[in-house]
Amino acid sequence: DTGVSQDPRHKITKRGQNVTFRCDPISEHNRLYWYRQTLGQGPEFLTYFQNEAQLEKSRLLSDRFSAERPKGSFSTLEIQRTEQGDSAMYLCASSSRGRLTDTQYFGPGTRLTVL
Amino acid sequence: DAKTTQPNSMESNEEEPVHLPCNHSTISGTDYIHWYRQLPSQGPEYVIHGLTSNVNNRMASLAIAEDRKSSTLILHRATLRDAAVYYCILANAGGTSYGKLTFGQGTILTVHP
Repeated sequence: DTGVSQDPRHKITKRGQNVTFRCDPISEHNRLYWYRQTLGQGPEFLTYFQNEAQLEKSRLLSDRFSAERPKGSFSTLEIQRTEQGDSAMYLCASSSRGRLTDTQYFGPGTRLTVL
Repeated sequence: DAKTTQPNSMESNEEEPVHLPCNHSTISGTDYIHWYRQLPSQGPEYVIHGLTSNVNNRMASLAIAEDRKSSTLILHRATLRDAAVYYCILANAGGTSYGKLTFGQGTILTVHP
């Protein structure tokens, strides 16, 4: 069990550029989540996948954001035309769906800075 | 989502027990009580969860009030490594959204040597 990994750990970009983040969940975990965390706040849910299906998206996920999980393994989160307000820590988590509830395992996050 | 209320911050001394409270007066019958913590510059880490009965694991204990409107996370002997933000979260076991975690502000725990 190598844990959830995220790449890159840090990304600095200029406003208007596109960025893509990758998340590799714990193998055999069928659920994958993306969260966003700004300074001093708790993480906010963005979206989640069960296998390759994207089952829920937050209102926070504007049209500039897109997430994929091809083949139900790794996931990517793309932000197009970045804005300064997108600067945040982007966290990925995975879980193996339990019968009534599940435990999420988080990666270290990708810190995005938009200049 | 049902809301939780936690103190903004708490302090403890090393090797002493810590009791972190959480109020959740609007909890529903299918809501599980989860605790996660986040160490500086890291992603959140699962600590413990429960439904009605008190729970123990290697990291902590969770004491749940009989009416389930409040709970307490207990760290039996705080260490410097326990300094973190602790989040109390309600996760509904029903419906299609029970995987989603709704984080609040959490409690910042400071541990003094």
